[in-house]
Amino acid sequence: DTAVSQTPKYLVTQMGNDKSIKCEQNLGHDTMYWYKQDSKKFLKIMFSYNNKELIINETVPNRFSPKSPDKAHLNLHINSLELGDSAVYFCASSQGGGTNEKLFFGSGTQLSVL
Amino acid sequence: LAKTTQPISMDSYEGQEVNITCSHNNIATNDYITWYQQFPSQGPRFIIQGYKTKVTNEVASLFIPADRKSSTLSLPRVSLSDTAVYYCLVGPGPRTGTASKLTFGTGTRLQVTL
Repeated sequence: DTAVSQTPKYLVTQMGNDKSIKCEQNLGHDTMYWYKQDSKKFLKIMFSYNNKELIINETVPNRFSPKSPDKAHLNLHINSLELGDSAVYFCASSQGGGTNEKLFFGSGTQLSVL
Repeated sequence: LAKTTQPISMDSYEGQEVNITCSHNNIATNDYITWYQQFPSQGPRFIIQGYKTKVTNEVASLFIPADRKSSTLSLPRVSLSDTAVYYCLVGPGPRTGTASKLTFGTGTRLQVTL
């Protein structure tokens, strides 16, 4: 069983489209995250949810909207996709909400905007 | 969060011990040091975390000198499968704050060859 799973693994789409990425964790963790890894390989946090409540929003454009239907799921919806959104998006989870908690990552979704 | 500096890349032969050093001159009193490993097309994987002196687990050892301004990840007898990017992160310890806001830098790309 994969601890943190996200779908799809690859997503190719045109500029201006709307797309969603789904994430699920079966670890029983309280906190989930979305990270973005750009072409230079910097991995930066975008959002964090703790028990379905948004607790971190790192100056991400409001075209990005996370949704957490329950604490095991955190989906990412992106409106009006732009070329600069092309990156690998990672979902992660942690047991608690501490700043240096052990993070468990999914295998990533490679988004290519054409 | 404390800024970290680590070598961009390192090369090693299989069977050797590899030491990757990370500098974090402005580490704060309550900061912990955490290392992650990332293989291509995968999310980062937690390796080890420590606060001071030495921490060892089944994968690696982490050496932290008394002044804590640097740390060294030691991988004993590396194999080809240890080829990956290794990230050093510094931030307040687990169960502090609301959620992990750690940003991963570019890391150290370790290439292991025969």
